[in-house]
Amino acid sequence: AQKVTQAQTEISVVEKEDVTLDCVYETRDTTYYLFWYKQPPSGELVFLIRRNSFDEQNEISGRYSWNFQKSTSSFNFTITASQVVDSAVYFCALSEAGDYKLSFGAGTTVTVRA
Amino acid sequence: GAGVSQSPSNKVTEKGKDVELRCDPISGHTALYWYRQSLGQGLEFLIYFQGNSAPDKSGLPSDRFSAERTGGSVSTLTIQRTQQEDSAVYLCASSFGEGGAYEQYFGPGTRLTVT
Repeated sequence: AQKVTQAQTEISVVEKEDVTLDCVYETRDTTYYLFWYKQPPSGELVFLIRRNSFDEQNEISGRYSWNFQKSTSSFNFTITASQVVDSAVYFCALSEAGDYKLSFGAGTTVTVRA
Repeated sequence: GAGVSQSPSNKVTEKGKDVELRCDPISGHTALYWYRQSLGQGLEFLIYFQGNSAPDKSGLPSDRFSAERTGGSVSTLTIQRTQQEDSAVYLCASSFGEGGAYEQYFGPGTRLTVT
């Protein structure tokens, strides 16, 4: 069963627009971890953030912000005032307690046009 | 400091040949993971090492795939009798500890093409 769903396949925006990437996860565990990774055209996966299931505080890091809502099993990611360098594939991932692997969503391709 | 490194960056091989892919994790990272990224299947987990032992091999697609890790450091993923469906980017990651409490850092990957 798909544990992480990223319903948006591709998003295209003009520079300076905000873009929100959706991530919905499925787990029966009460302890789990959620992640976002960025994969730019160069191909290397870059870690962006990790949240554990007991911390629902939203987080902001520069132009990036994350909204974690357990009630809707969602962990959405917003890029504010997008830039061309934000063009990449973004992956949401889940790691369940007692498991060590990451289960990735299918990814969302973000294209920021100048 | 140095990140995760993988070699070769690209490998083209003929169907039926064996290939070896290498991963050098970040120094001090005890956990090491192999994933595969392909167009049809997305990012798939293959195997996980804690030290030199592999507690979870659940993602290996067939017995043609094997992996080992020596000295708690370098890991080699071996694919025997390669098939065209093995064509993919093979990604290695490492983390300071095991489990989701530790983020995994990924290498640049090895792009394998089986002709």
